[in-house]
Amino acid sequence: GAGVSQSPSNKVTEKGKDVELRCDPISGHTALYWYRQSLGQGLEFLIYFQGNSAPDKSGLPSDRFSAERTGGSVSTLTIQRTQQEDSAVYLCASSLAGGVGEQYFGPGTRLTVT
Amino acid sequence: SQQGEEDPQALSIQEGENATMNCSYKTSINNLQWYRQNSGRGLVHLILIRSNEREKHSGRLRVTLDTSKKSSSLLITASRAADTASYFCATDGETSGSRLTFGEGTQLTVNP
Repeated sequence: GAGVSQSPSNKVTEKGKDVELRCDPISGHTALYWYRQSLGQGLEFLIYFQGNSAPDKSGLPSDRFSAERTGGSVSTLTIQRTQQEDSAVYLCASSLAGGVGEQYFGPGTRLTVT
Repeated sequence: SQQGEEDPQALSIQEGENATMNCSYKTSINNLQWYRQNSGRGLVHLILIRSNEREKHSGRLRVTLDTSKKSSSLLITASRAADTASYFCATDGETSGSRLTFGEGTQLTVNP
């Protein structure tokens, strides 16, 4: 079956612009995660959605970052007034439930802020 | 913040040799997972070991977990050039719920 998909695969934007990154999780997966990976670094947790529960936003680095998940499926991560330090690969993952288990990752969106 | 630390940061070996990567963490965990990443893009799950397990095997992979030392190791036996990738450990714990906390990763290069 189809895996997690993300779009766009690459995004170059000017400092100060807003960007939207999209994630389509695997059908039937109730849990969805966003992570950020800076060059040569590990992954940094951003936000987690589980079913209809309130999202865990504890990893969002500033109020310029927000995310939503419509209809329990597709998710959009929005970064307002982008800064150069926002440049990174943004990875989305989904899993069958929010508990123990494997997370399935998308290919990521490489964001470059110039 | 990253609670996991892998060592070495980089490892270069010849095809056929075994590769061992280590991971340490700071807080109590429920599970530890190892992931592989090619070319800085999507991660692929390799293996999960629960906090009450000490060793697990999957094909050429062997993972150990020592909760008293808060450490884990990933052994890849009979390495192949196609094993060249970055390897990350990730933990989930009582305080973090199901969100994963990743280490910095080990870059493995297997030379043909």
